[in-house]
Amino acid sequence: GAVVSQHPSRVICKSGTSVKIECRSLDFQATTMFWYRQFPKQSLMLMATSNEGSKATYEQGVEKDKFLINHASLTLSTLTVTSAHPEDSSFYICSARDRVFGYTFGSGTRLTVV
Amino acid sequence: GENVEQHPSTLSVQEGDSAVIKCTYSDSASNYFPWYKQELGKRPQLIIDIRSNVGEKKDQRIAVTLNKTAKHFSLHITETQPEDSAVYFCAASQAGTALIFGKGTTLSVSS
Repeated sequence: GAVVSQHPSRVICKSGTSVKIECRSLDFQATTMFWYRQFPKQSLMLMATSNEGSKATYEQGVEKDKFLINHASLTLSTLTVTSAHPEDSSFYICSARDRVFGYTFGSGTRLTVV
Repeated sequence: GENVEQHPSTLSVQEGDSAVIKCTYSDSASNYFPWYKQELGKRPQLIIDIRSNVGEKKDQRIAVTLNKTAKHFSLHITETQPEDSAVYFCAASQAGTALIFGKGTTLSVSS
């Protein structure tokens, strides 16, 4: 089936620094990648939709200047959390949709900002 | 945009009993309704899904029903086992758009 590889799986960073999370589609071309954030004991909340070669579409309440999304190729989308603060600590997970295999999720990134 | 409501938030059953989780959606254009099981710190795992041209789908102990008119769909788990204990999420989407998730149900199956 389709595989989305997400890295890193865990990251701890200092407040004020930036962190980049990568999602790669390994055996299919992901023209669209969805980024979610999940706080403890809560649901997956859609942050943004990225389309290859164009600007991402952000959900209401998500700061586009803080959560930078780049989808420069059909197999790679990145989410950069800029000037991270403790309240940004969360589980970030990407998802891509393939016509054959449907929605495929990355393994998630646990971000802790100290 | 789409809004998905999920109930109950917690559900406790005895081993062997049935469990039912219900979801409603708001966007009549949604046509894909998957159910996911998620363990702590892991990615969601698809357990069953249904499309809007089907009213019911079954896979062994798991079934999903869809009522398009009422805009609600339900997950049914029969003969529950302790290993069914997990958090379950329903979701809805239109073709090619993002999945919108319900708030989740924590299912506990006691032996």
